[in-house]
Amino acid sequence: KAGVTQTPRYLIKTRGQQVTLSCSPISGHRSVSWYQQTPGQGLQFLFEYFSETQRNKGNFPGRFSGRQFSNSRSEMNVSTLELGDSALYLCASSSQTNTGELFFGEGSRLTVL
Amino acid sequence: GDSVTQMEGPVTLSEEAFLTINCTYTATGYPSLFWYVQYPGEGLQLLLKATKADDKGSNKGFEATYRKETTSFHLEKGSVQVSDSAVYFCALSESNAGNMLTFGGGTRLMVKP
Repeated sequence: KAGVTQTPRYLIKTRGQQVTLSCSPISGHRSVSWYQQTPGQGLQFLFEYFSETQRNKGNFPGRFSGRQFSNSRSEMNVSTLELGDSALYLCASSSQTNTGELFFGEGSRLTVL
Repeated sequence: GDSVTQMEGPVTLSEEAFLTINCTYTATGYPSLFWYVQYPGEGLQLLLKATKADDKGSNKGFEATYRKETTSFHLEKGSVQVSDSAVYFCALSESNAGNMLTFGGGTRLMVKP
């Protein structure tokens, strides 16, 4: 069974640009969550989508957005990039919501110059 | 808001030593508690969980008991191996909060042969 796949794995952007990250969950999983991991702030919840609906949103500015498609694949977008957005962005999938039992991808490492 | 506090690392042990990684939490409700592990070069993996007071989660020789009276969920293993070298994250999830996890800062464990 294939795991959670995130693309791209690495990317470099400049301030002011926007970026779109993609996540393919484990087959059959309907919940996709996104987390930001940085050395200073650790792991922080961005949002969760379940059956194409945003279930929850973390404490991030509106520049961070996401969506989920009917095949459960998800994308997150960050507009007007800032230096502080440099981070590892982790996607996690789960068969259900409200379980906390997440399967994580290896992440997309974003560097903002 | 909710928070999770873990002992700072790195924790360095010799093979076959006893391991304890402390974790305490603050929550508004009655959360489920988790330990996730991140091996070098891999994504986060669920190690164990507990959903109610006095529950003991266990997996791969690791154990943790949900202590509501002390708001703690300490991770223990009787005899560590070199292959246990990883970063360990304690996390909580409030009921009906979807798959939104609040993570601790992580504790790096290094096991020497």
